[in-house]
Amino acid sequence: QKEVEQNSGPLSVPEGAIASLNCTYSDRVSQSFFWYRQYSGKSPELIMSIYSNGDKEDGRFTAQLNKASQYVSLLIRDSQPSDSATYLCAVRRNRDDKIIFGKGTRLHILP
Amino acid sequence: DTGVSQDPRHKITKRGQNVTFRCDPISEHNRLYWYRQTLGQGPEFLTYFQNEAQLEKSRLLSDRFSAERPKGSFSTLEIQRTEQGDSAMYLCASSWGIDEQYFGPGTRLTVT
Repeated sequence: QKEVEQNSGPLSVPEGAIASLNCTYSDRVSQSFFWYRQYSGKSPELIMSIYSNGDKEDGRFTAQLNKASQYVSLLIRDSQPSDSATYLCAVRRNRDDKIIFGKGTRLHILP
Repeated sequence: DTGVSQDPRHKITKRGQNVTFRCDPISEHNRLYWYRQTLGQGPEFLTYFQNEAQLEKSRLLSDRFSAERPKGSFSTLEIQRTEQGDSAMYLCASSWGIDEQYFGPGTRLTVT
């Protein structure tokens, strides 16, 4: 089992709709979770971090964490064409504090 | 507050040549990380420093790779005798302790 798994996509969502991105992780004692956005040819940009079970909202973005299910998700409300990018899920591994990245989900917002 | 900077942004080199990349972290950050990213993959950990000490180096990193952070500020990553398989985006990130990591713009290396 991979440490951090994401569906590679592409995920196509109409403009104005909610985009839902999902991620599962294998280390059940992990405590820190991150979502990065990466435009083609650019470096990753931190969008959100989440540490506690439940939801964390920041503008149009909501991160959701369920440690029991080892599942973290990112919701993007009112999707815009500028949200089209690859979204990387990252998990801090408990045993050595390394951040492990998934392969990313490509999101395409349809105008 | 300036972000993480990297230089050069692009590097094309011939197989067998040595290359060196520089990273300047966010000034108050004590940790500096190097990652490598290839197409369709997430960033892959290479090594990291806390202040000037190199605390860990990935087993994936061959002896051709070396990194330094001599004064606990900027860092350099050198690749000796480059191979075509070294072609990738080399990313630097910094953090304060185990807080969130912020990435620089990356250096895209092409080995011909």
